[in-house]
Amino acid sequence: GENVEQHPSTLSVQEGDSAVIKCTYSDSASNYFPWYKQELGKRPQLIIDIRSNVGEKKDQRIAVTLNKTAKHFSLHITETQPEDSAVYFCAAFSARSGGGADGLTFGKGTHLIIQP
Amino acid sequence: KAGVTQTPRYLIKTRGQQVTLSCSPISGHRSVSWYQQTPGQGLQFLFEYFSETQRNKGNFPGRFSGRQFSNSRSEMNVSTLELGDSALYLCASSLEQGGWYEQYFGPGTRLTVT
Repeated sequence: GENVEQHPSTLSVQEGDSAVIKCTYSDSASNYFPWYKQELGKRPQLIIDIRSNVGEKKDQRIAVTLNKTAKHFSLHITETQPEDSAVYFCAAFSARSGGGADGLTFGKGTHLIIQP
Repeated sequence: KAGVTQTPRYLIKTRGQQVTLSCSPISGHRSVSWYQQTPGQGLQFLFEYFSETQRNKGNFPGRFSGRQFSNSRSEMNVSTLELGDSALYLCASSLEQGGWYEQYFGPGTRLTVT
């Protein structure tokens, strides 16, 4: 099955700086890569996603890049703010040949801390 | 539209008991997936239901089961509870079957097994 590795596990940045979180996946058939933000005690929230037919997607201060050859994708947050502090999860979806498919496979999460 | 809802929000059970959790998807969403979240293992896929049928299943024992009703609401059942089943159980709804579609999570049910 799919395996997703996420780094770093903890990331501390100064407010206003950029943050980058990286994930690698193992299954070359994976074709959908969402990112979720989870604040303490709250549900994971979808913040951005990318499909395998594009290399980059941007939404205001958040961007995601995908390198299919290297099988890795990254989340970029610019001009970080205190409210960006949370745990971020990457995930991958792999549609197996033959029509069967698993659910999302998640990375272990990155605890992003924004220092004032 | 109202978001995904889950009931109950908190549960305390004893080893050996069984438990049923409920999930109501976003209106119009036909797929419901269930995930287990623990500090050690992170978020792990349990199963997905679409059109009242289990479409996909993760690597969990048969004690974990579920069903989906004609209105897309879903229930998850865990029988013969073990201490290791203590976790946050999240359901996520999406428009159609498969992880290709955006999944929106409910607030979760926090299960504690003593």
